[in-house]
Amino acid sequence: AQTVTQSQPEMSVQEAETVTLSCTYDTSESDYYLFWYKQPPSRQMILVIRQEAYKQQNATENRFSVNFQKAAKSFSLKISDSQLGDAAMYFCAYRRGYGGATNKLIFGTGTLLAVQP
Amino acid sequence: GAGVSQSPRYKVAKRGQDVALRCDPISGHVSLFWYQQALGQGPEFLTYFQNEAQLDKSGLPSDRFFAERPEGSVSTLKIQRTQQEDSAVYLCASSYTTDTEAFFGQGTRLTVV
Repeated sequence: AQTVTQSQPEMSVQEAETVTLSCTYDTSESDYYLFWYKQPPSRQMILVIRQEAYKQQNATENRFSVNFQKAAKSFSLKISDSQLGDAAMYFCAYRRGYGGATNKLIFGTGTLLAVQP
Repeated sequence: GAGVSQSPRYKVAKRGQDVALRCDPISGHVSLFWYQQALGQGPEFLTYFQNEAQLDKSGLPSDRFFAERPEGSVSTLKIQRTQQEDSAVYLCASSYTTDTEAFFGQGTRLTVV
């Protein structure tokens, strides 16, 4: 079974600084996707960034980038130039890559990010 | 609609009461997922629909949980004889196909007292 582990329950960063959130996962599959989701107090999960396992290049979306280490099964999220609006719970998630009957997401336990002004 | 809509946003139920949670997915989305998120935890998969067919219900915690999507659009998650451990946020997500991005609703926070 696939598992996702986030070992940092809480993190804090100063506004305009950079922070890295950690995630490790375990799977025996070779084809999969990894995601970072943001969940603000409104509870709605918002996709931040996604990475296809077959791609060696790390995904980037504006101030958000990932460090994908496939052999180490590590998938960290770097937030540059942190803004007050980045404060939220961040979840790392895994999904199988092939079009099986269920492409459910498997989530970690989350990291609560605080941004200090 | 513009996004996934869930109702009600909040529900308080007395222990033993039955509840029904509604999810309106994005129009045209084939796939629909239900997740349960306990306080301080990540969401956990409950069940999956492809159109009206419930293809995976492996995450439903007990036979008190039942989900349906009779016409392939709106889905209802029903919990019978609610218990305190059912207290959680119930999230619904839909996607155009099984391989495309899932969009989430704002969830229903269920509190069983």
